[in-house]
Amino acid sequence: NAGVMQNPRHLVRRRGQEARLRCSPMKGHSHVYWYRQLPEEGLKFMVYLQKENIIDESGMPKERFSAEFPKEGPSILRIQQVVRGDSAAYFCASSPPTANQETQYFGPGTRLLVL
Amino acid sequence: KQEVTQIPAALSVPEGENLVLNCSFTDSAIYNLQWFRQDPGKGLTSLLLIQSSQREQTSGRLNASLDKSSGRSTLYIAASQPGDSATYLCAVNDYKLSFGAGTTVTVRA
Repeated sequence: NAGVMQNPRHLVRRRGQEARLRCSPMKGHSHVYWYRQLPEEGLKFMVYLQKENIIDESGMPKERFSAEFPKEGPSILRIQQVVRGDSAAYFCASSPPTANQETQYFGPGTRLLVL
Repeated sequence: KQEVTQIPAALSVPEGENLVLNCSFTDSAIYNLQWFRQDPGKGLTSLLLIQSSQREQTSGRLNASLDKSSGRSTLYIAASQPGDSATYLCAVNDYKLSFGAGTTVTVRA
């Protein structure tokens, strides 16, 4: 049973470009969470999604960031017009349908560098 | 808003000593608490999960306790080894995880 997959593992973008980060949850998991770890800072919750629904996006920056988890395919975290301050490690986690009581399983992360 | 604090921020011990890492949280309405390990530049490895109804969990040399009423958890690592050197993160789950800043552990050979 493959774990949570994230790609790319490393992404370099120039200021103003778009970044797309992908997350494939573990098989049978229908809940996806995105977290961001800024340099020298702790992990912060960004968004919680279920299939085709955004449940909680209270941690998402108000502009330029969006997330989706379509019926088919991976969850996508999209950052438009990236700035240097977006450079961070972005982690995705998934959990099964009985989500709240279960362990969240983390992917290896995508490290975004904005030049 | 949930606030999670980890003390100390850093810890350096000689090999063989026992480690005690502390975590406190402000809102006791949680489903569970997880301890993770993170190596530099790497992802998170889940170490232990304690459900809110439990008092402790053990896995090998690791033991974690939870006192939900006082908002505290402690991770004990027995007989530390250089391979235990890493950052240890505590996270409380009230459907989303709130992380502490971590305790960076160095075990000297």
